[in-house]
Amino acid sequence: QVQLQESGPGPVKPWETLSLTCTVSGGSISTYYWSWVRQSAGKGLEWIGRIHTSGTTNYNPSLKSRLTVSVDTSKNQFSLKLSSVTAADTAVYYCARAQAGGGTLGGFDVWGQGTMVTVSS
Amino acid sequence: DIVMTQSPDSLAVSLGERATINCKSSQSVLYSSNNKNYLAWYQQKPGQPPKLLFYWASTRESGVPDRFSGSGSGTDFTLSISSLQAEDVAVYYCQQYYASPGTFGQGTKVEIK
Repeated sequence: QVQLQESGPGPVKPWETLSLTCTVSGGSISTYYWSWVRQSAGKGLEWIGRIHTSGTTNYNPSLKSRLTVSVDTSKNQFSLKLSSVTAADTAVYYCARAQAGGGTLGGFDVWGQGTMVTVSS
Repeated sequence: DIVMTQSPDSLAVSLGERATINCKSSQSVLYSSNNKNYLAWYQQKPGQPPKLLFYWASTRESGVPDRFSGSGSGTDFTLSISSLQAEDVAVYYCQQYYASPGTFGQGTKVEIK
């Protein structure tokens, strides 16, 4: 079955750019919508943004000015870049797949295990 | 943004008893053209990602036990567990995916009494 795995550099300093990659295994990345979701103690679950393998993106307006989501179908990966991070961006970051035939913004049927990102100097 | 409000924040239920979680959206998530409610329910256990239980408000995801049920339409939705089992201890979230950004409820923690 399809599995997702987040990867990233670990701690990030304030005002730097957070970069994460989600690798899709056990199936094709094509034709699905892929999202990033984060979870922090203060704000619960927050949808960050999504991308279709055609390249179409949709971002949470609260993050849009700092966010870029991209896809590399040749590597079966999609990525997140969040610039100018602050402590408020400290969270567990998940990648997730919107199920086929469902909504594109939710109904996530496959999730990665999540990666903790701490923003600290 | 559509605000999702769950109630209660937590509840303790005896094993074998019924647990009911409510979720209210600040605007309707029913899409009139296909008569579908863009509402999902998830279960999250400590150290794990959320697990999809229901989509379209009441369509059970494959593998989810039938003691779980989802209902509601428009702005008011309910997740019920007919006979609580020990493995059902978790935090449950609703999420609307009718409009961007997709938004989640604050979560309801279910414990054993």
